[in-house]
Amino acid sequence: DAKTTQPNSMESNEEEPVHLPCNHSTISGTDYIHWYRQLPSQGPEYVIHGLTSNVNNRMASLAIAEDRKSSTLILHRATLRDAAVYYCILSIGTGNQFYFGTGTSLTVIP
Amino acid sequence: EAGVVQSPRYKIIEKKQPVAFWCNPISGHNTLYWYLQNLGQGPELLIRYENEEAVDDSQLPKDRFSAERLKGVDSTLKIQPAELGDSAVYLCASSERTGTHNEQFFGPGTRLTVL
Repeated sequence: DAKTTQPNSMESNEEEPVHLPCNHSTISGTDYIHWYRQLPSQGPEYVIHGLTSNVNNRMASLAIAEDRKSSTLILHRATLRDAAVYYCILSIGTGNQFYFGTGTSLTVIP
Repeated sequence: EAGVVQSPRYKIIEKKQPVAFWCNPISGHNTLYWYLQNLGQGPELLIRYENEEAVDDSQLPKDRFSAERLKGVDSTLKIQPAELGDSAVYLCASSERTGTHNEQFFGPGTRLTVL
């Protein structure tokens, strides 16, 4: 399995930035890095993905280390609706093989 | 646009009974996935379909689990007979096509409780 390591839980104050780290030291050159999040009682939803360069979208930013052995998901201003479990995933092979870990449970404090 | 639809949302059965879950993916999505999610864990892939072909079922416990996607659209996952350890959330997801690291769209899941 393509392994990722994330902290079990993190806290953030509302309207402050959040940096969610992920280690993936066994990543290979063609593996993409994906982030999904899962709100309570819902299926996971896509947040962002990238290969080598940093990526930005309306939800978040993804910062990828130069050696690609780690990455950081950045939520620029946390809201209460961002409280969820965030999964860092490597997709390998054809790109459809996702290996979810246990994720990081983010608590947003009002 | 409708998302991935799953039914039922909740199911409670006695052990040794059969159970089936249904999934309708997003229209036009060729790839369909079934995942199992235990409490406090991330989803684990059970089976992946490309159209009607199961291209990865290595994690499907074939002694009691079966799945089908006969016309390459909706899919059914069956457990017969169910065991206590099968209590979990069963998630269905779909994506446009393979080979391009496409976004997977997940349904809300079916929460199975086996008594």
